[in-house]
Formats: sequence, structure tokens, C-alpha cells
Amino acid sequence: AQTVTQSQPEMSVQEAETVTLSCTYDTSESDYYLFWYKQPPSRQMILVIRQEAYKQQNATENRFSVNFQKAAKSFSLKISDSQLGDAAMYFCAYRSAYPGNTPLVFGKGTRLSVIA
Amino acid sequence: GAGVSQTPSNKVTEKGKYVELRCDPISGHTALYWYRQSLGQGPEFLIYFQGTGAADDSGLPNDRFFAVRPEGSVSTLKIQRTERGDSAVYLCASSLRAAGWDGYTFGSGTRLTVV
Repeated sequence: AQTVTQSQPEMSVQEAETVTLSCTYDTSESDYYLFWYKQPPSRQMILVIRQEAYKQQNATENRFSVNFQKAAKSFSLKISDSQLGDAAMYFCAYRSAYPGNTPLVFGKGTRLSVIA
Repeated sequence: GAGVSQTPSNKVTEKGKYVELRCDPISGHTALYWYRQSLGQGPEFLIYFQGTGAADDSGLPNDRFFAVRPEGSVSTLKIQRTERGDSAVYLCASSLRAAGWDGYTFGSGTRLTVV
């Protein structure tokens, strides 16, 4: 079974600075998808960014980018120019690309605080 | 609807009671997922529907938990003889397709508290 590990329970960043959240995963599959979700106090999980394993180019969405290292099974999230609204729980998630539609597997999350 | 709707938002029940949690997915989304999120943890998979049928219920913790989706849209998660350990946020999500890299769209969850 696939597992996702987020080793940083809490992180903090000064407003306008850059922060990187770590994620590693364990799988024997070669094709899969990786996601970062944000969960504010409203509880709704919001998709931040996603990456296909067979694409070498790192995904970017505005201030959010990833560093995908397939061999190392690492998928970190970089938030640039941090804003107060970025404060939330961040979850890394894995999904197999193979038929059978395995559900998303989540890590335990990292709580990000943004300091004004 | 425009988003995934979950009702009630909060539910307090006594130990041993029966509860139903409702999820109304995005119109046209064929896949529907239930997750449970305990305090300080990531969401844990419970069950997944493709259309009306439960395609994977391997995450249901025991036979007190059951879910249905009779018409392929709204789903109800049912918990019998609730225990204090069932207290958690129950999240529902839907996706357009059963496969592919579509991210899920989540609802805001139901916070269940068993006293």
C-alpha cells in the first residue's frame, strides 16, 4: 500500500517570504499523481497544485510550485511571497494512475502559520 | 449544485445512537468518496462510489458503518451504535471521472461529536 509522509507538523513563515513544505511517499508504481491540498479553518479541502509522475517538469501555479524528485520519492511545495491567507493545514496526497481508481491517500498534514 | 454540500455541518449525538450524514455532490460527478478526519490527522479513506455501486469499501472500520448512493447522486453515510471514537470530521468529495488525475472537490464536512 502507498503511504505519504509529511515530517513537519508545523511550519511558520514571515509574510512575503518563501517557505517549503516537505512530503515523501512510498510506492512501487511508476505512474501516479501527486497533489497538495490546503485546508483552512472552514474545513473544505482546496486543491493547490498537482503533478503527474511521468512529467519531469515541475508544476507551477502562481505563487505555488513543487519540487518533484521521482527517484527520491519526494514532492515538496514551495510558497513564494507568503500571504496571511496562506495560513492553513496543507496535505500532500497520492493517487495511483492505474485502472481501478484507488482513492487519494493523504499525509498527516503540516500546519502553516504566516506571521505579519 | 455549484459545490459539494454536506449536511449537517455539525452533529452531536449520544453514545449508542444512530446517525446519518448526507453528501450532495457536484451535478454530473460520477465518483463520490467518503473520508474521515480525526483531530490532527489527515483524511482517511472510508468508501468510494462509482455511480450507484460501492466500488471500494475497504476503508470502513467495521460493520457499524454503511453508506448508500441509491440514485447515483446524493449519498448517505450511516453509523449505527455510535461510539466516542467515531467523533471526527467526515468529509465527502466528488470527481468527474473515476480515473485520471482529476482532483477531488471536497465539501466542508460534518463534524460528528459522540458524547
